[in-house]
Amino acid sequence: AQSVTQLDSQVPVFEEAPVELRCNYSSSVSVYLFWYVQYPNQGLQLLLKYLSGSTLVESINGFEAEFNKSQTSFHLRKPSVHISDTAEYFCAVSERNTDKLIFGTGTRLQVFP
Amino acid sequence: KAGVTQTPRYLIKTRGQQVTLSCSPISGHRSVSWYQQTPGQGLQFLFEYFSETQRNKGNFPGRFSGRQFSNSRSEMNVSTLELGDSALYLCASSPEGRTGYNEQFFGPGTRLTVL
Repeated sequence: AQSVTQLDSQVPVFEEAPVELRCNYSSSVSVYLFWYVQYPNQGLQLLLKYLSGSTLVESINGFEAEFNKSQTSFHLRKPSVHISDTAEYFCAVSERNTDKLIFGTGTRLQVFP
Repeated sequence: KAGVTQTPRYLIKTRGQQVTLSCSPISGHRSVSWYQQTPGQGLQFLFEYFSETQRNKGNFPGRFSGRQFSNSRSEMNVSTLELGDSALYLCASSPEGRTGYNEQFFGPGTRLTVL
């Protein structure tokens, strides 16, 4: 991937509201797509990934992301957020058959009561 | 299985000093990658080691170096520290590598402060 763009550095939202974290990438080859989450004072952990097949992927805690090839996007969504979702979210793109893996700069999701 | 561990968790150094950070990957993982995380820059890739060999390297100066031991444990060294080296240094391990479809498992990081 030439680049990964997470346009929103911070997203404040109230509890139980829906949220969308945006991720766009540029690449001339096929890609694998990932969302990682980093809770305060912890390392990153994989939230969900798109490798092939269905373009809609889901995580166990209610997040989902949809791969849109024409728009080169992989936005992360959740219909109703919880306080515990407060964290930083990183989009990552890996180009197939290359050694390129690029992370976005992250989006800090802050959920307020 | 135990997760990825990093030591120490916090470090304070002064300019010009050198520092060594340690990472123990998940048992059985042969790939260890290092990243520098700073506000606004996200994760910047430093290097990846696989079976004791450096497989990939990011765009960092030669002051940043690393190595991997036969038990897959890895160390990274930063010499002649600069103020701009203050960051969270993350280690990630994977069974086969950091690219492709492979998931990376991250440690909690070492927070380095350079005064």
